[in-house]
Amino acid sequence: AQSVSQHNHHVILSEAASLELGCNYSYGGTVNLFWYVQYPGQHLQLLLKYFSGDPLVKGIKGFEAEFIKSKFSFNLRKPSVQWSDTAEYFCAVNVLTGGGNKLTFGTGTQLKVEL
Amino acid sequence: ETGVTQSPTHLIKTRGQQVTLRCSSQSGHNTVSWYQQALGQGPQFIFQYYREEENGRGNFPPRFSGLQFPNYSSELNVNALELDDSALYLCASSLGDRASYEQYFGPGTRLTVT
Repeated sequence: AQSVSQHNHHVILSEAASLELGCNYSYGGTVNLFWYVQYPGQHLQLLLKYFSGDPLVKGIKGFEAEFIKSKFSFNLRKPSVQWSDTAEYFCAVNVLTGGGNKLTFGTGTQLKVEL
Repeated sequence: ETGVTQSPTHLIKTRGQQVTLRCSSQSGHNTVSWYQQALGQGPQFIFQYYREEENGRGNFPPRFSGLQFPNYSSELNVNALELDDSALYLCASSLGDRASYEQYFGPGTRLTVT
């Protein structure tokens, strides 16, 4: 069964600092990769996704992520964070063979951006 | 376009009781997935319904069951509640059951079991 690891559980940054959140997955086959965000008091929403093609994907609000197949990684980045980026971030995968549309999530990273 | 809605928002139950949670899928979506999110954890897949049939199940016991109705809304039922069932229950809908379809999440139902 596939699994997802997010190594940073809590991250505190100052505004304008750069962000990189790590995500590694374990599955040998083809996967779709996602980053979801949950702002305080709001529901889970999609930040960006990778299905195929260019391994550098751009999402909403200036976020991007890079898929490195050899490292089984899909790290999330943002060059300059804002206070409004304070939220919990989840990496997720689903597999393309026999997995249907079941998402497997990491444990999440709580990001706090200070003014 | 109405998004995914869930009811109730919050619920408190006693150990051993039964609970039913409800989800209305986004317009045009025929697939509903349920997830359990315990405190400090990521969502865990419970099961998925596609066109009224269960279409995949995670590692949850049979006391977790569900239904999908002809209008594609869905229910999650949990029997014989245990303290560890306390969690946020999320419903997500999608256009289909293929892995390429994006899932849209509802706000969740916070269940507390005492």
